[in-house]
Amino acid sequence: KAGVTQTPRYLIKTRGQQVTLSCSPISGHRSVSWYQQTPGQGLQFLFEYFSETQRNKGNFPGRFSGRQFSNSRSEMNVSTLELGDSALYLCASSSRDTGEEAFFGQGTRLTVV
Amino acid sequence: KQEVTQIPAALSVPEGENLVLNCSFTDSAIYNLQWFRQDPGKGLTSLLLIQSSQREQTSGRLNASLDKSSGRSTLYIAASQPGDSATYLCAPNDYKLSFGAGTTVTVRA
Repeated sequence: KAGVTQTPRYLIKTRGQQVTLSCSPISGHRSVSWYQQTPGQGLQFLFEYFSETQRNKGNFPGRFSGRQFSNSRSEMNVSTLELGDSALYLCASSSRDTGEEAFFGQGTRLTVV
Repeated sequence: KQEVTQIPAALSVPEGENLVLNCSFTDSAIYNLQWFRQDPGKGLTSLLLIQSSQREQTSGRLNASLDKSSGRSTLYIAASQPGDSATYLCAPNDYKLSFGAGTTVTVRA
């Protein structure tokens, strides 16, 4: 069974640009969550999608957005990139509902220059 | 807001020693708690999941306990090996996973 797949693995963008990251969950999983990891703030919750609907949202500005498709694949978008958005972005999937075990992908390393 | 604290922040032991990693959290209204390991620059690998109704969970050399009412969980790793060197993170789950800073473990050969 394939794990959680995140693409691309690495990205370098310029301040002011926008970026889209992709996450393919484990087959059969319907919940996808996104987390940002930085040395200063640690791991922070961005948002969660379940059956194409955003179910929960963390405390991030509106420049961070996401969506989920009917096949459960998810994308997150960051507009007007800032240097502080440089981070490892991690996606996690779980089978159906809150309380299920979460499995993480390898992450996308975003560097904003 | 869920606050998670992990003690110690770092640990260095010789191979073969048993490890004890502590985690405390402030809000006991959780569905479950997961322990993860993270290798440098990598994603998180799930080690154990303890449901809120459980007191303990075991997998191989790993054993985790949960005392939800006092907001504490402990991960025990028996007979440590150099391959156990990593950062260990606990994450209580209310509607999202909340993380502390982790415990960085170094096992010396």
